[in-house]
Amino acid sequence: QSALTQPRSVSGSPGQSVTISCTGTSSDVGGYNYVSWYQQHPGKAPKLMIYDVSKRPSGVPDRFSGSKSGNTASLTISGLQAEDEADYYCCSYAGSHVVFGGGTKLTVL
Amino acid sequence: EVQLVESGGGLVQPGRSLRLSCAASGFTFDDYAMHWVRQAPGKGLEWVSGISWNSGSIGYADSVKGRFTISRDNAKNSLYLQMNSLRAEDTALYYCAKDMRAVAGQDFDYWGQGTLVTVSS
Repeated sequence: QSALTQPRSVSGSPGQSVTISCTGTSSDVGGYNYVSWYQQHPGKAPKLMIYDVSKRPSGVPDRFSGSKSGNTASLTISGLQAEDEADYYCCSYAGSHVVFGGGTKLTVL
Repeated sequence: EVQLVESGGGLVQPGRSLRLSCAASGFTFDDYAMHWVRQAPGKGLEWVSGISWNSGSIGYADSVKGRFTISRDNAKNSLYLQMNSLRAEDTALYYCAKDMRAVAGQDFDYWGQGTLVTVSS
C-alpha cells in the first residue's frame, strides 16, 4: 500500500494553467478508472474536485479537469485564480483498499 | 444538508483504546459506503478504513489492520472506529467521509470536520 507519487509543489500566475501529476502502479491508478482529486485549504476539510478520473461534482468549476494515461493521472486547473491556492491530493481505488498521493501544494503567484 | 459530525477523540496513552463515532444526517445513510481518513499534523491524507452500505465489505489500511475495527449502525445513522493498541504514529485528525456509492470506493463527496486523536504518554 504505497502512496501515490505527486510533486511536492507547483505554481502558476493568475490566468495560467497548471497540471498536477499523480503516478501509481498497475495495481491502483493504472488498474481502475477510479481516481479522484481533493482540494484542501488550510484548516479545512478536503473537498472533492474530480471523481472517476475526469468527472466533476456539481458546483466544481469547469476550470478543473482530470485525465489518466497508463499509471499516471493528472489534474489540470486552467484560468488560475487566487482561491485555487491550496493542497491537492489524488486518490485511487486499489482493490481491497484506497491509496492517496502525498499531496501537492499549489501556489498562485 | 449533509452533515457528518465526528466525536470521541482525545489524548490517550500508547497501547490504550479509543472509539470514534460519526453521526450522519441529511442523506439516506444506509444507501452509501462510509470511510475514515486521517491526517497527521502537517502531513497528508491517509485512508484508514471503509465499509459498504450493509457492512458486507470492509477494508483497512495495512497500518491499522488487526488493531482498528470499523462498524456502522444504520438504524442510528452512525459510523464507528474502534482503535486498539494505539501508537504514537496514530496521532492525527480523523475524518469521517461519505462515499458516493454503496460499495466502498474512493469518491468521498462529503467530509466531517474531524476529531483529533493524540497518542502520548
